[in-house]
Amino acid sequence: DIVLTQSPGTLSLSPGERATLSCRASQSISSSYLAWYQQKPGQAPRLLIYGASIRATGIPDRFSGSGSGTDFTLTISRLEPEDFAVYSCQQYGYSYTFGQGTKLEIK
Amino acid sequence: QVQLVQSGAEVKKPGASVRVSCKASGYTFTSYYLHWVRQAPGQGLEWMGIINSSGGYTTYAQQFQGKVTMTRDTSTSTVYMELSSLRSEDTAVYYCARETSNGFDVWGQGTMVTVSS
Repeated sequence: DIVLTQSPGTLSLSPGERATLSCRASQSISSSYLAWYQQKPGQAPRLLIYGASIRATGIPDRFSGSGSGTDFTLTISRLEPEDFAVYSCQQYGYSYTFGQGTKLEIK
Repeated sequence: QVQLVQSGAEVKKPGASVRVSCKASGYTFTSYYLHWVRQAPGQGLEWMGIINSSGGYTTYAQQFQGKVTMTRDTSTSTVYMELSSLRSEDTAVYYCARETSNGFDVWGQGTMVTVSS
C-alpha cells in the first residue's frame, strides 16, 4: 500500500501569512491522482485540489498545489480566517490512501 | 443539487452490527462509484472501500475485509455500509463520498457510530 506522510503535523500561522503543507508518498504516484481536502470541525471534507495542481470548482486562487513523483505541496498564499482547518492529501491512483492530515491553526 | 444524505447517529454495543445508509440525489446514481471513509475521534481519514453503484461490485481495504459489507439499491439510489462485530475502536464518523476522475467531489454529512457497553 502507498503511505502518504504529511508534514508538519500542526502549523501555527497568522492571517495574511503564507502556508506551505507537504505530502510525501512512500512510492512514486501519478500527479493526476493526487488530491487535497480541507476539513473544518464537525464538517465533511471538501475537495480543494485534484490532479496535484487543479483547483476544484469554487476554490479561491490563493490555494495552489504542486509536485510530482513522491513530493507534493499545498500552498495557501495569504491566509484568511476561514482557512484555518485540517488539510489532508489523498492518492487515488493505486487504490486509495489518505495522509494523516496537517492542522493549520491560528498563531 | 448533487448531494449525499446519510442516516443518523447510532449507538451500538460491542459485538453488534450497524448499517449506515447514503442516499444520492441530483445526478445519475449508476454513473459513479461511491466510497466509504471513516474518521476516528481526533484522527485522520481512513479509506474503507468502494462500491460500483451500477453493478454492485465492491473492493474493500484489507483491514476491513470480513468486517464490512457494502451494498446498493438502484431503485432508491442508496448505498449501504454494514460493519459487523463492533468494537470500541470502531467508534468513528463514517462518510460516503462520490468518486470522479477528479477525486472525491461530493461527501455525505457523516454518521457518528458509537460503540459502548
